[in-house]
Amino acid sequence: EADIYQTPRYLVIGTGKKITLECSQTMGHDKMYWYQQDPGMELHLIHYSYGVNSTEKGDLSSESTVSRIRTEHFPLTLESARPSHTSQYLCASSDGDATGYTFGSGTRLTVV
Amino acid sequence: AQSVTQPDIHITVSEGASLELRCNYSYGATPYLFWYVQSPGQGLQLLLKYFSGDTLVQGIKGFEAEFKRSQSSFNLRKPSVHWSDAAEYFCAVARSYNTDKLIFGTGTRLQVFP
Repeated sequence: EADIYQTPRYLVIGTGKKITLECSQTMGHDKMYWYQQDPGMELHLIHYSYGVNSTEKGDLSSESTVSRIRTEHFPLTLESARPSHTSQYLCASSDGDATGYTFGSGTRLTVV
Repeated sequence: AQSVTQPDIHITVSEGASLELRCNYSYGATPYLFWYVQSPGQGLQLLLKYFSGDTLVQGIKGFEAEFKRSQSSFNLRKPSVHWSDAAEYFCAVARSYNTDKLIFGTGTRLQVFP
């Protein structure tokens, strides 16, 4: 079944640690996105990619980085986690313009 | 700049009652509009979308939405709410340029009482 997967679902980690949030999709979509979602607030685009070796920053400035070495894989990395990075991170993919997204289940990150 | 406004932060309804969630957008031309639902601890699931044509759009789980250009609105409705509909609902609009990217509202939390 075509889908989009995020791991881990929950992560509690200490300040200064390096973390990678995984996102994979089996739909063959070229376009992938990372959104940050704080409780009670809208989703903010932090990164997007239109294909292999293509990555761009979104609207919300983020200290995270992304890579796109394979079409199906779009991981997000924080080199040194801080409490201000505590949030939910949602990965999504799209098969074209104005078609809407397919979202993963999200990763809830807590940095202590 | 484009924006989406969901005026109701939190709505409470009784099971079996009708539901209407409000969404207003700012955009000059005909927008591409979406409604998503997010259950606790989950990602977002697409309920329905509007691109053009019939202004009343049918979606999954018994939801529908009506596009009203004169009011810049795209309200979500359901005739009879089930307890499983309790969730967060997000309205979104595709950007005028780079229409692959969506702008989301702040969401409306729906609580359903038995």
